[in-house]
Amino acid sequence: DIQLTQSPSSLSASVGDKVTITCRASQSISNYLNWYQQKPGKAPKLLISAASGLQSGVPSRFGGSGSGTDFSLTVSSLQPEDFAVYYCQQSYSTPRTFGRGTKVEVK
Amino acid sequence: QVQLQESGPGLVKPSQTLSLTCTVSGASISTRGYCWSWIRQHPGRGLDWLGYICSSGNTYYNTSLKSRLIISLDTSKNQFSLKLRSVTAADTAVYFCARDTNSGYEFWGQGTLVTVSS
Repeated sequence: DIQLTQSPSSLSASVGDKVTITCRASQSISNYLNWYQQKPGKAPKLLISAASGLQSGVPSRFGGSGSGTDFSLTVSSLQPEDFAVYYCQQSYSTPRTFGRGTKVEVK
Repeated sequence: QVQLQESGPGLVKPSQTLSLTCTVSGASISTRGYCWSWIRQHPGRGLDWLGYICSSGNTYYNTSLKSRLIISLDTSKNQFSLKLRSVTAADTAVYFCARDTNSGYEFWGQGTLVTVSS
């Protein structure tokens, strides 16, 4: 199984901050890496697919990069609605796997 | 717009079988190239992929659940289902259904909480 190591597990930030979350795969997954945002009581929302493809309707302050084993999600200027938990997920192979999540909290 | 909706009992007794159905609208589950996944989330924890079934009928299960899990398709109702037998308290979780592609999970159900308790 492909393991995804996501870091940090949590971070505190203020509105307007730039935030970066990383995700490392245990083997190369090309660009088959997706990022999700989850708010309490809701299903995860796909933000970025194929490492850097912004989903329709997702604000441009969200950006993804990376390939192979190292990936990152960046929020260029954190907004109040961005405080949530973020997950990476690989769709390179089965079983599908998720990172353990990064909780972005208010500083 | 593709929509998914989970349904099933919210309470299951230990050792019994947990059965959930996901009803899909806005897309046919028979469409080639798509697979349909079940994902669960223990309270306060991360996301665990349970398995999927593809339009072809092929299935793939998480190894840790393989002996207890069956996912099936009902094309006549545009639904897919999960049966997890011999449940314990460790199976208490929110269960999500979602459409699987190589570009991730764009479409999800809202999730349904299943509690295993006597």
